[in-house]
Amino acid sequence: KNEVEQSPQNLTAQEGEFITINCSYSVGISALHWLQQHPGGGIVSLFMLSSGKKKHGRLIATINIQEKHSSLHITASHPRDSAVYICAVSRGDGGSQGNLIFGKGTKLSVKP
Amino acid sequence: NAGVMQNPRHLVRRRGQEARLRCSPMKGHSHVYWYRQLPEEGLKFMVYLQKENIIDESGMPKERFSAEFPKEGPSILRIQQVVRGDSAAYFCASSPKQANTGELFFGEGSRLTVL
Repeated sequence: KNEVEQSPQNLTAQEGEFITINCSYSVGISALHWLQQHPGGGIVSLFMLSSGKKKHGRLIATINIQEKHSSLHITASHPRDSAVYICAVSRGDGGSQGNLIFGKGTKLSVKP
Repeated sequence: NAGVMQNPRHLVRRRGQEARLRCSPMKGHSHVYWYRQLPEEGLKFMVYLQKENIIDESGMPKERFSAEFPKEGPSILRIQQVVRGDSAAYFCASSPKQANTGELFFGEGSRLTVL
């Protein structure tokens, strides 16, 4: 079982829909990152969080440390949101804080 | 303030040749991380460096791979005697702090193809 699990693997939505991508992890962490990767492109960091909730524009990220779960929400989705969204965690067990464990990603396609 | 710069963006090598991938972190960032993304697979951590020091290389293959981040100049990921299985996208990220306290900034990646 992977230490970081994302669901769903693939997601198709209509423009304007509210989208939720989930991330569960099984290790102790000190921080969780949400990343965005466009096809053939680079990676953009969306959020880094260790507790609570963060909001940036139409994106909202939440984390529940007790349940070892995080969600990424996209409100009023748009075709330009189509990308792979990746959850990654920094271990909190005293190991190297630069050693991120990545989920396999959620491929989002937003149809006009 | 320029972002994280990686070059080359695309590199083609024949089996047995050497590949050198360069990463210039954002100005003021002293933490550099390298990750590999194999075709149809997720990202994997390779190595974490600060200036002139390797902090964590637990994700580096034991042979043929090395990394450095000299006092002056970019960080370099070096792959000797490349094999077809090395074909992948290699991403570099930098941070002003460790990855659990500072946001990561990624480069566009270097895509290595081994013929």
